Amino acid sequence: GAGVSQSPSNKVTEKGKDVELRCDPISGHTALYWYRQSLGQGLEFLIYFQGNSAPDKSGLPSDRFSAERTGGSVSTLTIQRTQQEDSAVYLCASSLAIGYYGTGGIRDYGYTFGSGTRLTVV
Amino acid sequence: DQQVKQNSPSLSVQEGRISILNCDYTNSMFDYFLWYKKYPAEGPTFLISISSIKDKNEDGRFTVFLNKSAKHLSLHIVPSQPGDSAVYFCAASVSGGYNKLIFGAGTRLAVHP
Repeated sequence: GAGVSQSPSNKVTEKGKDVELRCDPISGHTALYWYRQSLGQGLEFLIYFQGNSAPDKSGLPSDRFSAERTGGSVSTLTIQRTQQEDSAVYLCASSLAIGYYGTGGIRDYGYTFGSGTRLTVV
Repeated sequence: DQQVKQNSPSLSVQEGRISILNCDYTNSMFDYFLWYKKYPAEGPTFLISISSIKDKNEDGRFTVFLNKSAKHLSLHIVPSQPGDSAVYFCAASVSGGYNKLIFGAGTRLAVHP
């Protein structure tokens, strides 16, 4: 697609329920990242995919969080037994390749974000 | 452990004047720095970047300055316009890796007429 697509855009769930958040990256982008932004906080790195493998899962806050990517394309972030502190905007980004900084010129950095999923746990 | 810090949560500037947004970092391994702009209900969009081999990069009304010795960078917007009102995130990474970006907490800029 033309951009990074995330669904749903908003999700309200009850504490203890499981949720799945979906990310459709830009076609051809091999790298995919999940970040989250809690209220008043910066963007917190969660996990990085290169193709279907996840070499860096260091940002996942607990074992209730997991993610997968299939076909080198769509990724799903799953949160089990949601807690109120999981409430945040979950952002997905994709990038053309590892270590791609273009020529260092303006607007050639290949990191494109989706609009995010706002998760509210009540 | 915040490796990238934006100490001003908000900034208000009059239209036509200069906006200066600041960012400090602690990790001396960072060698590529970026600014992203975020409007409500949208994802962040890339604005401007700078490599550590430079101390200034300019694109139209936007200029980023890097002071490596002070581990400080700043974004200058001149002249500021009401459409610049957004949250600005500073980000840093180590080149040669996989583009993992470390973000600051953001500064909300309000440009008023």
